[in-house]
Amino acid sequence: DAMVIQNPRYQVTQFGKPVTLSCSQTLNHNVMYWYQQKSSQAPKLLFHYYDKDFNNEADTPDNFQSRRPNTSFCFLDIRSPGLGDAAMYLCATSRDPGGTNEQYFGPGTRLTVT
Amino acid sequence: GENVEQHPSTLSVQEGDSAVIKCTYSDSASNYFPWYKQELGKGPQLIIDIRSNVGEKKDQRIAVTLNKTAKHFSLHITETQPEDSAVYFCAASRGNDMRFGAGTRLTVKP
Repeated sequence: DAMVIQNPRYQVTQFGKPVTLSCSQTLNHNVMYWYQQKSSQAPKLLFHYYDKDFNNEADTPDNFQSRRPNTSFCFLDIRSPGLGDAAMYLCATSRDPGGTNEQYFGPGTRLTVT
Repeated sequence: GENVEQHPSTLSVQEGDSAVIKCTYSDSASNYFPWYKQELGKGPQLIIDIRSNVGEKKDQRIAVTLNKTAKHFSLHITETQPEDSAVYFCAASRGNDMRFGAGTRLTVKP
């Protein structure tokens, strides 16, 4: 089945130690998104790629970076994780940015910072 | 930017009863309104959506209504079942810009 896959599902990192989360998709969608979701809150958009065009949300901290080496994969890099970065990180995809915007989410990676 | 408000934050119903969740949005240019169901430890799953040129859409026990003039939309679940228990998010979208409501935790008591 076509889907959005996130690895790992659970990630533990130390304060200040860089960490990378990965997302892959078999839907062949043009757009990929990264969201941060803290406990009992709505997902918050960090950034998205339309093909190779990177779009950063204005309030996304510089500590967060992203890479999309090809259509199928997208990575979230957290350069120096702080305790406040502990959250669920969700990857989503959509076919294209025009018109409606059906987004399909992966299962998420839960990040713990010790 | 878009601001989406969702009510109630928690909702408890008896199995078989109906559940209604309401959302309002601020950006009149938003044209797509999805609803997501999120179970514990999982990513949000799209359950139904509505576009701005439609007033109502139904899929079995789930229906969504949209009032563009008032800028609000609602999710209706009829004949609720325990497996409907989850957190439900509404969202409003224009292009790539999708904003979520704060979520409603629905509990269906058997």
